[in-house]
Amino acid sequence: DAGVIQSPRHEVTEMGQEVTLRCKPISGHDYLFWYRQTMMRGLELLIYFNNNVPIDDSGMPEDRFSAKMPNASFSTLKIQPSEPRDSAVYFCASSSLDFPSYEQYFGPGTRLTVT
Amino acid sequence: AQSVTQLGSHVSVSEGALVLLRCNYSSSVPPYLFWYVQYPNQGLQLLLKYTSAATLVKGINGFEAEFKKSETSFHLTKPSAHMSDAAEYFCAVSSSSASKIIFGSGTRLSIRP
Repeated sequence: DAGVIQSPRHEVTEMGQEVTLRCKPISGHDYLFWYRQTMMRGLELLIYFNNNVPIDDSGMPEDRFSAKMPNASFSTLKIQPSEPRDSAVYFCASSSLDFPSYEQYFGPGTRLTVT
Repeated sequence: AQSVTQLGSHVSVSEGALVLLRCNYSSSVPPYLFWYVQYPNQGLQLLLKYTSAATLVKGINGFEAEFKKSETSFHLTKPSAHMSDAAEYFCAVSSSSASKIIFGSGTRLSIRP
């Protein structure tokens, strides 16, 4: 398996622009997670899905952030409008109900810079 | 509720020395415990996991961790540090009733030549 795939790997945009981050989980995995990592706040869980349904979005910082999972093999995280404080590395991870420990497999991340 | 506490945000050891990264957990149910490693500019990678089998767990790259219920600890060790071990290490906890993992704040490991 290719592992969790994220695109783009780097994104530089201007404040106010819309940003869309993409994730393809490992085939067969039931859970998909979006994380944000910054020096100040560390690793934060933003939202997670089970079987394409959002389960917990309490970590989404504000209404500018939205996430969708239209099918089992694709998810997006959208920021509109973007702000400089959104600059961070965004990770996608997936896991499977078949593994009771729910160990997660992470993608390489998208480094977002908002100027 | 579950939580993990990593003691020391930064640990520095000499090459060849013992590595000890500390993690304490809190869980009202039997926990599953993990150590993840993050190399610069990469995602997190599972190093090892405890899922209620053997209390001493061996992982990749010579690392191991011991689950001690009485101390609510899951410390990560490696007998002899290598320069390539320099990375950020995260302790994490979940359980059979929790579909998400709670991560600690991370410990950055530096290796001195």
